[in-house]
Amino acid sequence: QKEVEQNSGPLSVPEGAIASLNCTYSDRVSQSFFWYRQYSGKSPELIMSIYSNGDKEDGRFTAQLNKASQYVSLLIRDSQPSDSATYLCAVEDSGNTGKLIFGQGTTLQVKP
Amino acid sequence: KAGVTQTPRYLIKTRGQQVTLSCSPISGHRSVSWYQQTPGQGLQFLFEYFSETQRNKGNFPGRFSGRQFSNSRSEMNVSTLELGDSALYLCASSVSGSYNEQFFGPGTRLTVL
Repeated sequence: QKEVEQNSGPLSVPEGAIASLNCTYSDRVSQSFFWYRQYSGKSPELIMSIYSNGDKEDGRFTAQLNKASQYVSLLIRDSQPSDSATYLCAVEDSGNTGKLIFGQGTTLQVKP
Repeated sequence: KAGVTQTPRYLIKTRGQQVTLSCSPISGHRSVSWYQQTPGQGLQFLFEYFSETQRNKGNFPGRFSGRQFSNSRSEMNVSTLELGDSALYLCASSVSGSYNEQFFGPGTRLTVL
């Protein structure tokens, strides 16, 4: 059973701080990794994708991937109250085309 | 570019009925994946279609089925509804399914009474 693990939180940070979200996965062969943001009552919104080891930056977001450690993280700089949401880590199943395996999500609260 | 659309947005059904949900992918996307989201189980993969063919299926009973049309639009059907089928049903489209980003539609909220 391939799994993706995240701390459920809530992770609480003050406005302007860096929020660090972490994810581990069990499928050693996975090549594609994604972070989605989901507001309450809404559908998941893709915010980052990463395919190679290292860092990938997009605005205030940085995704980090370490395939040897089977670890993915998302950093949110200058956190804003509007960043308060559930963040879902998703890993593409290496043996099943089009299938993403999701973690349970980490709830982030950014306090003004 | 228009996003993924799903209809209907909300459905209320009773046990034993069947339901059909529709998904229109982003223009140019040929892969459509379906997921069920519940508070207890999170997001679970149902199946994926590409060029009118089901390539993968998740661990759901045969009451859950789907299809894809030549214009890449997809439908999923749930027969003999059970209370436990109450969930948010999400479809996501991507260019080809593998090594591609998946973009989700707004979902269909199904309530089974």
